[in-house]
Amino acid sequence: SQTIHQWPATLVQPVGSPLSLECTVEGTSNPNLYWYRQAAGRGLQLLFYSVGIGQISSEVPQNLSASRPQDRQFILSSKKLLLSDSGFYLCAWSYQGYGYTFGSGTRLTVV
Amino acid sequence: GQQLNQSPQSMFIQEGEDVSMNCTSSSIFNTWLWYKQDPGEGPVLLIALYKAGELTSNGRLTAQFGITRKDSFLNISASIPSDVGIYFCAGQLKAGKSTFGDGTTLTVKP
Repeated sequence: SQTIHQWPATLVQPVGSPLSLECTVEGTSNPNLYWYRQAAGRGLQLLFYSVGIGQISSEVPQNLSASRPQDRQFILSSKKLLLSDSGFYLCAWSYQGYGYTFGSGTRLTVV
Repeated sequence: GQQLNQSPQSMFIQEGEDVSMNCTSSSIFNTWLWYKQDPGEGPVLLIALYKAGELTSNGRLTAQFGITRKDSFLNISASIPSDVGIYFCAGQLKAGKSTFGDGTTLTVKP
């Protein structure tokens, strides 16, 4: 069966520090991978998606970047965090694009 | 870009009551999806709808894909305490990218 792993679960980082969140998927090949951000009490905003190794599409201009170095690995990064980067970050995968399976999320607080 | 209007924003109901929530869009979608999110967790897919007019059930949950392709609703019958959470609708115009509503927060009072 397919599983998705996302870590860390919580993270407190100072403003200006770098960020690296990792997501891996098991049990499937060539998944579509996504990074979403959820602000408190709001819906999910698509940040990046990838349909294959090295292929990244960015949905909104921001202080973040994403990379897909391996088929089932998706990384969200920042060189210098801003206060506005705080939120709940969710990684997800889909097979052929229909319906997502989400990871358990990372709660990022920038202080 | 496409936006979804999900209503109501929140609901407070008594255990055993039925629940209805809906999502509308100014543009069409080819797929409608409904998710539930428990506190501190990622959303979980409940129901996927692929054809206009389609009515699909998953236990006590029933969802419909509106015939105009611009709306969808989700009904929960005989609510129980574990139904508490945030329910999200999502629309897809093409496979791969979903647009999410802002969610309906459901509270069930025993």
